[in-house]
Formats: sequence, C-alpha cells, structure tokens
Amino acid sequence: KAGVTQTPRYLIKTRGQQVTLSCSPISGHRSVSWYQQTPGQGLQFLFEYFSETQRNKGNFPGRFSGRQFSNSRSEMNVSTLELGDSALYLCASSRTTTNYGYTFGSGTRLTVV
Amino acid sequence: AQSVTQLDSQVPVFEEAPVELRCNYSSSVSVYLFWYVQYPNQGLQLLLKYLSGSTLVKGINGFEAEFNKSQTSFHLRKPSVHISDTAEYFCAVSGSPADAGGTSYGKLTFGQGTILTVHP
Repeated sequence: KAGVTQTPRYLIKTRGQQVTLSCSPISGHRSVSWYQQTPGQGLQFLFEYFSETQRNKGNFPGRFSGRQFSNSRSEMNVSTLELGDSALYLCASSRTTTNYGYTFGSGTRLTVV
Repeated sequence: AQSVTQLDSQVPVFEEAPVELRCNYSSSVSVYLFWYVQYPNQGLQLLLKYLSGSTLVKGINGFEAEFNKSQTSFHLRKPSVHISDTAEYFCAVSGSPADAGGTSYGKLTFGQGTILTVHP
C-alpha cells in the first residue's frame, strides 16, 4: 500500500514569502503529525491533527499553522519566512490515537534564501 | 515533560563488529519508546518499539533494544553490523495519551541522533 506522501520534495523560497507543504497520509490513517528537522535543533514537534481538529501543538511561533481536510490530507503553512525556517519538514500518519503507529514520509526540504 | 538523551553523537565501528547505541529518557508518565533510522535525504523508518511487556524488543534488520525502567534506558544493539547500517539513529519517547492527557497526542520527543558509521 502507498506510504505517506509529501509534496513537494524540495522547495526554495525567499525571506518574507509564505509556503504551503502538503501531506497525504496512508489510506485509513486519521492522525497526522508534523515535525521540523534542523541540524541545530534536531527533530521538533510542530502539531498534530485528527479528524480535522488540531489536538496538540508544539512550541513554534504563530507563523506556523496547519490544517487537515476531511480526507485526512494535511497541509502546513509558514508565513513570513525566515532564514531559520530552512529545514526538512516531516509528516507522519497513524490509524490510531495511541502514538505508537506513526509512519513517516520522506519529507519536504525547504530552503529559505 | 519528557526528554531523551542519546549519549553518543557519533559511533564508528568496523563491519561485522557488534554495536550499542545508548539512549536515556526522562518522563513523569508511563512511556512508549522507539528507535528510528534515517538514511540520507530520507524520512524516518521505525526499527522497533517498546509499548509494554517483555523488556527485550526485537526489530527489523537484526536490531534489538532492552528497556530498563530503573535506569530509564533503552539502548539499541546489533551483534554484527553491515556497511548498509550506516545511517543516523534516533531514540524517541512518547507518553500514552491516556496517561498524559492531550499534551502527548501525536507527539514523539526525539533525541539528538547518533550517526553510526560502519567501516569496511
């Protein structure tokens, strides 16, 4: 079966712009989580959505937002991009709500110049 | 709050030698524990997980880990490594949403990673 699909794989944006990243979870998975991975800070939790509702949020500024659609696909948006937002953004999906069934996508590599 | 410490940032080892990657965690609630592997330019792949029960957990690719509650550790081991095991390895912890309430939904807390380099 298809895995977690993230698009695009690579993205280059200019400071001050905004960006939208997409995540299609595994069929039947209703929970989607997002993570930011940087060399300095490592893997950090952004937020989690379940049935179109944000249930949990990490410690990121309000420029980072997300949403989930009725088909469980999720998007995250970063507005007013800063150089420090350059990172690998990973999406993970799970069928359950118990935190132990997450499958990760290959990520979107965002470079802000 | 939960935290994870991976005690070695880099571990070099020769092919066919045994390896241990160390992980310590802290948590105020009962936990689930995980080891993930990341190959260059790829996402995270689950190696193994501890949820409950037997403290020795076997995973894919010949890896195993032992949960030690008294030492709050979850070290990853492989008796004989291959060149293809060269990658970055992440230890992660999660609280059960039932124990931690809404604060843990979807949230894995990761260590800083250990780069395993297998030399021929």
